[in-house]
Amino acid sequence: NAGVTQTPKFQVLKTGQSMTLQCAQDMNHEYMSWYRQDPGMGLRLIHYSVGAGITDQGEVPNGYNVSRSTTEDFPLRLLSAAPSQTSVYFCASSYRHRGPLAGGPFKNTGELFFGEGSRLTVL
Amino acid sequence: ELKVEQNPLFLSMQEGKNYTIYCNYSTTSDRLYWYRQDPGKNLESLFVLLSNGAVKQEGRLMASLDTKARLSTLHITAAVHDLSATYFCAVDKRLTFGEGTQLTVNP
Repeated sequence: NAGVTQTPKFQVLKTGQSMTLQCAQDMNHEYMSWYRQDPGMGLRLIHYSVGAGITDQGEVPNGYNVSRSTTEDFPLRLLSAAPSQTSVYFCASSYRHRGPLAGGPFKNTGELFFGEGSRLTVL
Repeated sequence: ELKVEQNPLFLSMQEGKNYTIYCNYSTTSDRLYWYRQDPGKNLESLFVLLSNGAVKQEGRLMASLDTKARLSTLHITAAVHDLSATYFCAVDKRLTFGEGTQLTVNP
């Protein structure tokens, strides 16, 4: 069981370059999210999705773009990389979505399952 | 805006000792999560606390939740070196994380 798979694990970019961090999960989770982890700041939510075709902004969305064309995949795009985006990025998924759409009770316990992280350096 | 605060942020303790990590949050929530992260690794779920008064135990770790006080505690009993890691609490809605508590258990 692969769980949540992120690629690449390491990446070095130059300022202004663009790239996509890939995230895939095989647990049929409706909810997927991207966090960045910086020293002394815990994890901060960038974007999240409650199902295919639905995305929304988190706490720190600027400079990032997401899409959710399938249940399994949730790529994170850096449009024009900046040194401030140097960080470790985690993708996570869960059975968190309120069913059947919004407003219903949570399915399952809502805990997140994390990928192994992608360490990005922007020079 | 939901704020989640952990203390202490750094904890160095001797093997065999007990200690408690605190997690305070600023708005109403009926569930709280604890995660563990080893250096260079991803986060792994430790506990899910789903209601006021919930208590969960796993080995030397015990977590509790007081939703009225907006407080969760992670109690460490008779610490061992293998517990050295960073511990995060996270609160519901969009899962807002605390800054993490870096625990080092010394022989």
